[in-house]
Amino acid sequence: DAKTTQPPSMDCAEGRAANLPCNHSTISGNEYVYWYRQIHSQGPQYIIHGLKNNETNEMASLIITEDRKSSTLILPHATLRDTAVYYCIVSSSNTGKLIFGQGTTLQVKP
Amino acid sequence: EPEVTQTPSHQVTQMGQEVILRCVPISNHLYFYWYRQILGQKVEFLVSFYNNEISEKSEIFDDQFSVERPDGSNFTLKIRSTKLEDSAMYFCASRVDQGANEKLFFGSGTQLSVL
Repeated sequence: DAKTTQPPSMDCAEGRAANLPCNHSTISGNEYVYWYRQIHSQGPQYIIHGLKNNETNEMASLIITEDRKSSTLILPHATLRDTAVYYCIVSSSNTGKLIFGQGTTLQVKP
Repeated sequence: EPEVTQTPSHQVTQMGQEVILRCVPISNHLYFYWYRQILGQKVEFLVSFYNNEISEKSEIFDDQFSVERPDGSNFTLKIRSTKLEDSAMYFCASRVDQGANEKLFFGSGTQLSVL
């Protein structure tokens, strides 16, 4: 599975959009981009995933560049409860194995 | 929304003892997983399980570990003789089907403390 690079930490003001970048320059054609988050020590929570098209759901939007070498997770109106570690994971595994990196610690501030 | 349920939330054991961590995956899911997270470190894959057998395991998942689906609802992780370094949060996960386009649902974890 391709490796991802994320900034270790970011801040965002409450109510503003949080844009979390991820580089995955070695991604291959059958690999999906997944985003999960972990609030404190809880279990990782699925946010969104995509292959090549941009995706949106009730939690977030995922923008994948045309060459698929990077992506951005957008939380449109961040709240204090969005403070968490956000993981960008690239996976093609049929068995469901996910390789977690260190992620980005997002701190939403009042 | 359906959840993956793990029990107990916290387990304390003495080194050398056997522990069993229990999970109830989401009912229509067919693929089951265990991950662990040592305090301050990354979430690490341990094992995946499908159709009553292990489909993939990591180097961490040595002979001290075993998994079982003893009935139609539970999925367990057994550590035969615990070591201090087994202290970690253990997460169970499940998903409905195979394929890279299927998301995993994680439980809230069991914190294992080995003394």
